[in-house]
Formats: sequence, C-alpha cells, structure tokens
Amino acid sequence: DAVLTQSPLSLSVTLGQPASISCRSSQSLVHRDGTTHLYWFHQRPGQSPRRLIYKVSNRDSGVPDRFSGSGSGTDFTLRISRVEAEDVGIYYCMQGTYWPPHTFGPGTKVDIK
Amino acid sequence: EVQLVESGGGLVQTGGSLRLSCAVSGFTFSGYWMSWVRQAPGKGLEWVANINQGGSEGFYVDSVKGRFTISRDNAKNSLYLQMNRLRDDDTAVYYCTRELYGAPEDWGPGTLVTVSS
Repeated sequence: DAVLTQSPLSLSVTLGQPASISCRSSQSLVHRDGTTHLYWFHQRPGQSPRRLIYKVSNRDSGVPDRFSGSGSGTDFTLRISRVEAEDVGIYYCMQGTYWPPHTFGPGTKVDIK
Repeated sequence: EVQLVESGGGLVQTGGSLRLSCAVSGFTFSGYWMSWVRQAPGKGLEWVANINQGGSEGFYVDSVKGRFTISRDNAKNSLYLQMNRLRDDDTAVYYCTRELYGAPEDWGPGTLVTVSS
C-alpha cells in the first residue's frame, strides 16, 4: 500500500496568515494513465469530512480560492493563503492511485493562535 | 442537493453482525461509484470498501476482506455494508460517500458502530 505521511501533524496559525501542509507518499502517485490521484480533505470538529482538492490541484465546487493544492510525484502541498476561523480542524491527504485500498495520511490538526 | 444518510449503526457484541444502509437523494445514484469510509474514535480516516455503478464489483481494505460485503440497490437508491464477525477494532463512525474523480466527494453524517464484548 502507498503510505502517506503529513507534516506538520499540528499547526497553530494566526488569523489572516498563510498556512502550508505537506503530504509525502512512499511511492510516486502518478497513475499509468498519467494523472495523479492525490486529494485533500478537511474535517471540522464534530463534522463529516469535506473534500477540498481533487487530483492534486483542482478545487471542489464551493471551496474558497484561498485553498490551493500543488505538487507532483511523491511530494504535495496544501496551502491556505489567509487562514480564517472556519479553517480549524484536521486536514487529510488521500491517494487513489494504488487501490484498493485508498489510503489516507495521518492528518494535520490546524488551530488558531 | 446531494444527500446521503446512513443508518443501522449501534452496539453489537464481538463476533456479531450488523448491516449498515445509506439512503441517497439528489443525484442519479446508478451513475456513481460509492464507498464506505470509517473513523475510529479519536483517530483518522480509513477507507473500507467501494463498489462500481452496477454493483458487480466491490473492493475492500484487507482488514475487512471476507467479513464485510458492500452492495447496492439502484432501484432503491441505497448502499449497504453487511458486516460479519465484527471485532473490537471495527468500532468506528462509518461514512457513506459518493465518489467523483476517483475519490469520495460527498459524505453522509455517519453512523456509529460500537463492537464490545
């Protein structure tokens, strides 16, 4: 299975400041069809997860443009350009290139300083 | 509006069985892969299983293979997860999800399964 690691595992951010979360895979996530199946999810406390980004850098419908995804191969990044209070929670990356199973990273907890 | 609502969770003894259901609305159910993802208390997300549009193929994480069966009834707009030989480490909130672009996009509120001896 492709193993995903995230860093940092915990992040305290000042409102209005940028934040960045890294996701690294144990193997390249480039599928034989040339696409890269790396996704980002956000889970607020007590809520279901919400997908933010699909295939590395595509924002899902309704996701604010302060969220962006980038990366290639084994290294990926989720960036929040200006953190807002509603952005607290846990962020997970997930790979869908080598499945089953789809695998998630351990999560990065984001809170406000 | 896409809606996914799970049901069937509860307290079950170790070794017992439970069947989860997910009623969907707001989209053409038969057109999408569907999946189950779980989250143990205070832990991260774990993909459990998914199923293709017609229901002919289901895929599983190794830890549930041979014990869990995913199925769907497109006429009833419903997804199911039959869970047998339940273990304590199956305790989790189980989410029903609709897949788009190869991964869960829409999620239900989840149903809690507690396995205890």
